[in-house]
Amino acid sequence: AQKITQTQPGMFVQEKEAVTLDCTYDTSDPSYGLFWYKQPSSGEMIFLIYQGSYDQQNATEGRYSLNFQKARKSANLVISASQLGDSAMYFCAMREGLETSGSRLTFGEGTQLTVNP
Amino acid sequence: GAVVSQHPSRVICKSGTSVKIECRSLDFQATTMFWYRQFPKQSLMLMATSNEGSKATYEQGVEKDKFLINHASLTLSTLTVTSAHPEDSSFYICSASRWKYNSPLHFGNGTRLTVT
Repeated sequence: AQKITQTQPGMFVQEKEAVTLDCTYDTSDPSYGLFWYKQPSSGEMIFLIYQGSYDQQNATEGRYSLNFQKARKSANLVISASQLGDSAMYFCAMREGLETSGSRLTFGEGTQLTVNP
Repeated sequence: GAVVSQHPSRVICKSGTSVKIECRSLDFQATTMFWYRQFPKQSLMLMATSNEGSKATYEQGVEKDKFLINHASLTLSTLTVTSAHPEDSSFYICSASRWKYNSPLHFGNGTRLTVT
């Protein structure tokens, strides 16, 4: 079964509007971390935001916030006030087994976001 | 912030030759590094986990004799694509993490390999 599911292959948003990118996950490990990365066309992976499974509050980083609903196993990324430079591929990822740095990241299929002027 | 450096960023080689890709953590020690492969418009697929001082752990379906991984020090891991063929053409990207559980994986800028 897929561990990370991103159901939106592509999303469009008008500049200055907010957009939500969906992510659901599946794990039986009580300790896990959820990450969002941005990948522009140049290919580099840019870390955006992190949410730990034990974190009580939703993570926020500038214009990025994570809508974490643990019971529903969802970790949606909200981008406020979209900018043209936000156009990129966005990946949701999960890290299980947080005891060491050796735990891998499993990625979703990604969502291609296009911001229209 | 943490930086991972990956070289080369782009390489074109002839079929049958070998290509080495380097991944360095510049300001922290990484006991574990990860190598991913990405085809166009697809997600990142983990190829192997590189452990300093020991053998790499390969994912199912990844040929360890074709994709040689060496993690010689706490700051350097290398991926060698041996006897490359056109189907090995892809985007290869490495990553490393600090020991902290909530540290993100920091990625290199990737290597675009084209085998002609």
